[in-house]
Amino acid sequence: AQSVAQPEDQVNVAEGNPLTVKCTYSVSGNPYLFWYVQYPNRGLQFLLKYITGDNLVKGSYGFEAEFNKSQTSFHLKKPSALVSDSALYFCAVRVSRRSQGNLIFGKGTKLSVKP
Amino acid sequence: NAGVTQTPKFRILKIGQSMTLQCTQDMNHNYMYWYRQDPGMGLKLIYYSVGAGITDKGEVPNGYNVSRSTTEDFPLRLELAAPSQTSVYFCASSQLGQGGNTIYFGEGSWLTVV
Repeated sequence: AQSVAQPEDQVNVAEGNPLTVKCTYSVSGNPYLFWYVQYPNRGLQFLLKYITGDNLVKGSYGFEAEFNKSQTSFHLKKPSALVSDSALYFCAVRVSRRSQGNLIFGKGTKLSVKP
Repeated sequence: NAGVTQTPKFRILKIGQSMTLQCTQDMNHNYMYWYRQDPGMGLKLIYYSVGAGITDKGEVPNGYNVSRSTTEDFPLRLELAAPSQTSVYFCASSQLGQGGNTIYFGEGSWLTVV
């Protein structure tokens, strides 16, 4: 069965420091991987995705993610955190074969960036 | 540039009442979805549709119904509301269902059943 794990419920970072939000996945085929961000009382906003090609994917707001096939991971990173990055982050996966198209989501990681 | 629009934003229902969450998208997407989000649980798929006239169950369909009479609209019906249906509901859409196509979400509908 497909699954996504976000091992940290919360990540705390000081403003200006690098941040990492972890994600690991388990799928039977080639994965398509996504990161979404959710601000309080708002919908999910697409950040970035990995389809194929370069393992380092760049997305919105200065975020990037690294696909590591051997470790089945897709960690979200940012070199210098901002207070405005504080939000709930979701990792999601979809397998490459034709499916019903839905995403499998992790439980989310709350990122807190302190001044 | 509306994207995915859902209404209402907030609603309180009494146990046993019924209601419909409206969803419309203006991106001419084929696929539409309804998810629910419970605290600490991520998002769970309720129903999805691959095109007008075609719907199918997701992971947690019990207590809900959907219809897709047009490409743009995908309403979610709650019959006989129960406290377990207290949640945040998100409608979403994508151009195609497979591969790397991005799913776009609405702003969410906060539903409380008392």
